[in-house]
Formats: sequence, C-alpha cells, structure tokens
Amino acid sequence: DSGVTQTPKHLITATGQRVTLRCSPRSGDLSVYWYQQSLDQGLQFLIQYYNGEERAKGNILERFSAQQFPDLHSELNLSSLELGDSALYFCASSEDPTEGDYGYTFGSGTRLTVV
Amino acid sequence: AQKITQTQPGMFVQEKEAVTLDCTYDTSDPSYGLFWYKQPSSGEMIFLIYQGSYDQQNATEGRYSLNFQKARKSANLVISASQLGDSAMYFCAMRGSGGYQKVTFGTGTKLQVIP
Repeated sequence: DSGVTQTPKHLITATGQRVTLRCSPRSGDLSVYWYQQSLDQGLQFLIQYYNGEERAKGNILERFSAQQFPDLHSELNLSSLELGDSALYFCASSEDPTEGDYGYTFGSGTRLTVV
Repeated sequence: AQKITQTQPGMFVQEKEAVTLDCTYDTSDPSYGLFWYKQPSSGEMIFLIYQGSYDQQNATEGRYSLNFQKARKSANLVISASQLGDSAMYFCAMRGSGGYQKVTFGTGTKLQVIP
C-alpha cells in the first residue's frame, strides 16, 4: 500500500456520461497530480494541485476538471465521455513539489472504460 | 520544455543476467531530477531510483543502478541479476528545477525476463 488511495479501481460507463475519480493523498503530502495513461501512450500529465490551489496544467481537456478540497483529497471530473477517454488514470502525491528524492508516490489507478 | 526519450519499446533478458534500459533527456533547467519507475502488469507505478543532476555519484538501490552521464544527457537504468519478477514496463522520468514542476515521463520500455 503506497498510502495514496484512489477510488474506484474500475469504472465502466457509457459515452456522454460524467464520472468522478477520487484520490486521497499520502498523509502529510500537500501536492496532488493527475496523469492519464492510454494504451498507446505514456503517462500524460493532466493537472497539479498544491494545498488546494491549481499549480500546473498539462494536456487536460476542457471536458475534464479537477479540484483539491480542504482535507487535501482531490477529485477529477470527466464529462461528455468519449471512447477515447478510456484509460488508466493515476493520482500521485508529494509532500513538497520542490523537494523529494522519490518523485511521486502513485496510487494504484482507476481504470476507466467508456463503452 | 523537458523531454524524455526511451528508444527501446521492448527488451528480453535471460534470468540472472544484467540488462540496461536506455533513457536520454533534454532540458534547459540548470538542476533537475531523474527517476525510474516500474509498472508491472497489475498496473501500479513503483518508484525504483532517483538521480539528482548535481549528484556526483551514480545512484544505486539494491539491484538497480542509474548510469548517469550528464554530458550525454543520458540516465540509463541497469538491473543486475534479473529475476522473473522484473518483467514489467519501465519508465524514465524527469522533474525540472523550481517549484511546482511536473514530472515528465518517457514512453516506457517493456522488459521480459526469460527463464
């Protein structure tokens, strides 16, 4: 157990629907990162939050949004889902984004299948 | 902008042999960190090893070592005495300097250990 908790582990939904992925960072970590891993691509950075504030944005579609709550858990909302959104979505956390010899601690991921 | 290049989509190695996974990077940041992660078929991302750009010595963690050649901008992962459990995808990654820097991942190398 890495200490980063992602729920649900698996999600199957239809095109056009909306889903919410949840992430609880490791205790003490203030920064949360979301990544998307599709079958034919590596890990694509989506967005980063630090202590409730958005800090960096990557290749995140307008249909996607995220937030980090006061208790530091984060949610990634995916709307108007398309078949191409099927992927493994990772959350990762770190204590201080400027430090860390260990990069991130990853959760086990949420596998989203859009049918 | 940061870029990580892994040119080996797949590799085979005999059990108990050593194997080198290649990684080259490009960045204009004066300081940066380099990481390797392992992703077994179960999907989780496991941190293996870290190298800071100003570290004088190559990083080692058990059977993993990072062959860091700064002038060549390479950060190859060496796995000694390969085990069947080493069969997995391996990702090279980099974090730039400054605060709130996201980690950029390469496309990965699939390693298969043959008995």
